[in-house]
Amino acid sequence: AAGVIQSPRHLIKEKRETATLKCYPIPRHDTVYWYQQGPGQDPQFLISFYEKMQSDKGSIPDRFSAQQFSDYHSELNMSSLELGDSALYFCASSVTGIIDYNYGYTFGSGTRLTVV
Amino acid sequence: AQSVTQPDIHITVSEGASLELRCNYSYGATPYLFWYVQSPGQGLQLLLKYFSGDTLVQGIKGFEAEFKRSQSSFNLRKPSVHWSDAAEYFCAVGAGGGKLIFGQGTELSVKP
Repeated sequence: AAGVIQSPRHLIKEKRETATLKCYPIPRHDTVYWYQQGPGQDPQFLISFYEKMQSDKGSIPDRFSAQQFSDYHSELNMSSLELGDSALYFCASSVTGIIDYNYGYTFGSGTRLTVV
Repeated sequence: AQSVTQPDIHITVSEGASLELRCNYSYGATPYLFWYVQSPGQGLQLLLKYFSGDTLVQGIKGFEAEFKRSQSSFNLRKPSVHWSDAAEYFCAVGAGGGKLIFGQGTELSVKP
């Protein structure tokens, strides 16, 4: 079965640079979630999109922005990168409106961002 | 506010021994509860989930969890641990709109 695809798998950037992470949801899923997992930390919710509109927002820095496109893929844009942004960034997708599929979604393998 | 607590940061068990990982949640209504497993540098894999109904939930890889409302707990169990079960385990609660709140995680080590 198709899963959530994230690219790139690994990314190394310097401080103050910009990074763009991509997420391709499971086909026919209309909702995308982004999470950030720092070293030794639990995943923290950043932001979610439903039908190309932001549906919820968590602890996402103002330097970060995200959007969902017409094909439902999503991109997380991170500017003025800081050392503390080094983390594993996960994306997940679901079908909103169906409880069984709203939660317990499968995460992508993540993008490991290292800021040097 | 919703929260999840996993009291044990690290647990070591012998291969073949039974396992119980603790999870306590704080949530006003009937919670949606989950257990995920994460191998080093890997993504999060869903082990099992509880929405309603039978309070004993069966998951993949021989894991099960029991929802106890009176104790606000959702502990994960496995009768016989395999070396391949060594990983980080996260308990999570649904916080509305599909968002998950995770506990701090429990690292499981398995002794041969």
